[in-house]
Amino acid sequence: GNSVTQMEGPVTLSEEAFLTINCTYTATGYPSLFWYVQYPGEGLQLLLKATKADDKGSNKGFEATYRKETTSFHLEKGSVQVSDSAVYFCALWDSGGGADGLTFGKGTHLIIQP
Amino acid sequence: DSGVTQTPKHLITATGQRVTLRCSPRSGDLSVYWYQQSLDQGLQFLIQYYNGEERAKGNILERFSAQQFPDLHSELNLSSLELGDSALYFCASSVALDRVGETQYFGPGTRLLVL
Repeated sequence: GNSVTQMEGPVTLSEEAFLTINCTYTATGYPSLFWYVQYPGEGLQLLLKATKADDKGSNKGFEATYRKETTSFHLEKGSVQVSDSAVYFCALWDSGGGADGLTFGKGTHLIIQP
Repeated sequence: DSGVTQTPKHLITATGQRVTLRCSPRSGDLSVYWYQQSLDQGLQFLIQYYNGEERAKGNILERFSAQQFPDLHSELNLSSLELGDSALYFCASSVALDRVGETQYFGPGTRLLVL
């Protein structure tokens, strides 16, 4: 079956620090990869996505590159802000996996201190 | 605001009871998905409907069922509730079915507490 593994945290950084949140996956077919963000008390919002190998998704200063050879989709940001504090979920969609929902990692709680 | 609405926002009930959660997808979206978020299991896909028909099942218990109505809103029915059913239930919607890279838009969730 499909699965997503990501560091759970909490990850605590100072403002303007460099961020990396690791995400690796296993999939039956050729998945699409996503990062969603959940701010306190809210639903999930799509942050970025990539649909094929070597694609780079980017949004709001965040980036992630689809690496098929290492089955990874690590999230990076060069300079984090306090407003980036949230829970980040790596997810995949793979129609070959037997269900058409997203498979999520357990989420990484990110705390940015001023 | 994703355009997906869910009601109610909070629900408190007792073990053994039955509840119904409601979701209205974004205008134009035909697919509706239900997810459960709990501390121990994380975010899990429950079930998907497309244009009124059940399309895919994930880790949905037999005590749970869902349907999608002609106006495309969906309801998730949870019965014989147990303490372990306490969780945040999300609805998501997307335009199409089985399209590579299709974005799912999530509602704000319904927080269920079973006492």
